[in-house]
Amino acid sequence: EVQLVESGGGLVQPGGSLRLSCAASGFTFSSYWMSWVRQAPGKGLEGVANIKQDGSEKYYVGSVKGRFIISRDNAKNSLYLQMNSLRAEDTAVYYCARNWVGHCSGTSCYGGLDYWGQGTLVPVSS
Amino acid sequence: DIQLTQSPSFLSASVGDRVTITCRASQGIRSHLAWYQQKPGKAPKLLIYAASTLQSGVPSRFSGSGSGTEFTLTISSLQPEDFATYCCQQLNSYPLTFGGGTKVEIK
Repeated sequence: EVQLVESGGGLVQPGGSLRLSCAASGFTFSSYWMSWVRQAPGKGLEGVANIKQDGSEKYYVGSVKGRFIISRDNAKNSLYLQMNSLRAEDTAVYYCARNWVGHCSGTSCYGGLDYWGQGTLVPVSS
Repeated sequence: DIQLTQSPSFLSASVGDRVTITCRASQGIRSHLAWYQQKPGKAPKLLIYAASTLQSGVPSRFSGSGSGTEFTLTISSLQPEDFATYCCQQLNSYPLTFGGGTKVEIK
């Protein structure tokens, strides 16, 4: 059974740092792109960061560039999000999710985020 | 980054109604669009990918269409368990981005 379990959330002061972890099991972790997605209270989903299978490519939403770092340890089946210089607007539930490919046609592959963790809450407040 | 605009942001409907939600992309994304359903306090659930392909286990009353910049999610006959928030996501280019969501409530 595929499982993604986030940890590391909790109250942090503005300007502080936090490291989120996501433990993956039930699938070959090293074969998948992975994502962090967040949801502020009462708001919609926001893609935060994505990382390639071997960690060689990383992408960030503009609002976290230079402050957040996504990484992974395939030997430990784990995904991480290092969050620095936190702001009140970073307050959200953070989810890790697996980027799944449903099918490929020619050079294009199509899929979505098919498994998600339960989420971990990060309130940023003094 | 590619922006996705969903409409409406809120929809009130009755059981049995046909419901259509629109998602517009700020630039062409071919068919690299997914739709998700989210219920309060839960993680999103993948419903449709490649704009129109139903994810395994998703009821056939859900359907998706479109390509390029305009996409739609249709629920042919709304069921009680379908009252939720629906969100589109583009997977054409990184970073992956989401629409603002459409909350479907009971009339």
